[in-house]
Amino acid sequence: KAGVTQTPRYLIKTRGQQVTLSCSPISGHRSVSWYQQTPGQGLQFLFEYFSETQRNKGNFPGRFSGRQFSNSRSEMNVSTLELGDSALYLCASREMEGSGNTIYFGEGSWLTVV
Amino acid sequence: GDSVTQMEGPVTLSEEAFLTINCTYTATGYPSLFWYVQYPGEGLQLLLKATKADDKGSNKGFEATYRKETTSFHLEKGSVQVSDSAVYFCAPDPPLGGYQKVTFGTGTKLQVIP
Repeated sequence: KAGVTQTPRYLIKTRGQQVTLSCSPISGHRSVSWYQQTPGQGLQFLFEYFSETQRNKGNFPGRFSGRQFSNSRSEMNVSTLELGDSALYLCASREMEGSGNTIYFGEGSWLTVV
Repeated sequence: GDSVTQMEGPVTLSEEAFLTINCTYTATGYPSLFWYVQYPGEGLQLLLKATKADDKGSNKGFEATYRKETTSFHLEKGSVQVSDSAVYFCAPDPPLGGYQKVTFGTGTKLQVIP
């Protein structure tokens, strides 16, 4: 099976712009989560989607949003970018049925805001 | 929700030294426990897991035992290599089918020097 795929891997944006990141989960995985990773804050949970519905949300401002499509692919969007949004954004998928809840991560999208 | 506390890093060891990274958990029940590893420039990947008390997870020479009495899941390796240099994350897992967000530990950076 192919792993979790994230695009783009690297991108540079200017303050005030918006960005959309994409994630394709492992085939058969219905849950997709997003995390922000920064040196200072560690790994912070953004949100989780299952069956096109947001099931959980972390403590991030409304500028951070996401969605999941019927094929389980997910996108996250950050509007009005700030310098502090520079981070590695990780997508993860997991099965919600069957033998366990192991989380599988993509390699991440490195966002730099200048 | 369930959470973990990890020892702070960075941890610097010489090659072939013994490694212990402490992790204690707080949970209402007995969740599965995981260790994930993040190599430089990559996303997180599952290192090992234990699904119930007294289980021992092992992989690539690493071991961790799920100890209910001390609510701990310490990661150990008898002889570290330079290639083990990475960041290690401990995490509890929600019950099967649960939508609770997965809260990772802060991560412990390990640097192994030749």
